[in-house]
Amino acid sequence: NAGVMQNPRHLVRRRGQEARLRCSPMKGHSHVYWYRQLPEEGLKFMVYLQKENIIDESGMPKERFSAEFPKEGPSILRIQQVVRGDSAAYFCASSDRPNSPLHFGNGTRLTVT
Amino acid sequence: RKEVEQDPGPFNVPEGATVAFNCTYSNSASQSFFWYRQDCRKEPKLLMSVYSSGNEDGRFTAQLNRASQYISLLIRDSKLSDSATYLCVVSGGTSYGKLTFGQGTILTVHP
Repeated sequence: NAGVMQNPRHLVRRRGQEARLRCSPMKGHSHVYWYRQLPEEGLKFMVYLQKENIIDESGMPKERFSAEFPKEGPSILRIQQVVRGDSAAYFCASSDRPNSPLHFGNGTRLTVT
Repeated sequence: RKEVEQDPGPFNVPEGATVAFNCTYSNSASQSFFWYRQDCRKEPKLLMSVYSSGNEDGRFTAQLNRASQYISLLIRDSKLSDSATYLCVVSGGTSYGKLTFGQGTILTVHP
């Protein structure tokens, strides 16, 4: 039973480019969460999705960031026109129901040059 | 006030020591509580869930005090491999299903 799969593991983008981060939840999990971790800081909640629906996006910046979890395929976190401050580790996690423990992927480390 | 607050430490303890971490949360309607550990630059991993009655898993004991909105983690007989960042996690409350992480407590166990 594969765990949460994130790709790519490392992503380098120049300022102004777009970054697309992918996450496939564990089999049987329909709840997906995205967190961002800046160097030397804690995990910050970004968005919580359940198949085709955004449940809570209170941690998502209003501009340039979007997330989706389509009926088929992985969840995508999209960052448009990246800036240096977007450089961070982005972790995806999944669960089989609300308020239950999360299983994390290995993360995508985004570097904006 | 932050939703979840932890003493960031760092805690430096010798092998075999007992160490305790505390965590407070602001929303009395929170429903689920967990401790995770995170090793340097890796993904967080579930250490244990925290139940109202308190629970133990080997050398680890977790306690929940709903009246004081307080969670604790006790590690007995510390091992070098326990060195990590320990994250307090709280779920539910005003935002159903959302899990909020504390900033983490750094533990270093030395020989």
